[in-house]
Amino acid sequence: DAKTTQPPSMDCAEGRAANLPCNHSTISGNEYVYWYRQIHSQGPQYIIHGLKNNETNEMASLIITEDRKSSTLILPHATLRDTAVYYCIVRGLYGQNFVFGPGTRLSVLP
Amino acid sequence: DTEVTQTPKHLVMGMTNKKSLKCEQHMGHRAMYWYKQKAKKPPELMFVYSYEKLSINESVPSRFSPECPNSSLLNLHLHALQPEDSALYLCASSQPDSDGYGYTFGSGTRLTVV
Repeated sequence: DAKTTQPPSMDCAEGRAANLPCNHSTISGNEYVYWYRQIHSQGPQYIIHGLKNNETNEMASLIITEDRKSSTLILPHATLRDTAVYYCIVRGLYGQNFVFGPGTRLSVLP
Repeated sequence: DTEVTQTPKHLVMGMTNKKSLKCEQHMGHRAMYWYKQKAKKPPELMFVYSYEKLSINESVPSRFSPECPNSSLLNLHLHALQPEDSALYLCASSQPDSDGYGYTFGSGTRLTVV
């Protein structure tokens, strides 16, 4: 079973920041938080991942709370092409596989 | 090469047909996966190969038969499928036990069983 909880859908205005929350209250100390997105009928695409510290790359920022029980993916300037289903996945290194929850369907509106 | 390539992109097959889905990666990954995704649902794990050996079969019916001929290739052989098996089949690869970028997914094969 997925170890995360996400809102089923969110809207965001084009050009504004999209903040996607994820709860993972049962996360273990050695488990990472991964974010993927899936644009309609394509394969899931890696966005970012982190363990404890906040992370930033060219696509997004990942903010992890100090207790690690929740995180937020931030798309700083959402475009129409960011419309997709966003999956938050918790996974340890050894013997664990990616289990997808329902994700958040983000709609970026013009 | 940072891609996972799946062929064919679309496949229509009858319930008595035998067909195969193919997946290839040249990233040196030693773990490969098959996922099944129904419309408006998240991907569901079917099979895991680690170092070319089947390590996980998530109670998948025997009409689906995976094969890993070498570390770069993964096949999914299909036989006597049912219409409810129509779905997007996704292949992925990764380095086992790595905290890297997780899985790299292919674009999938859209399968329709008629």
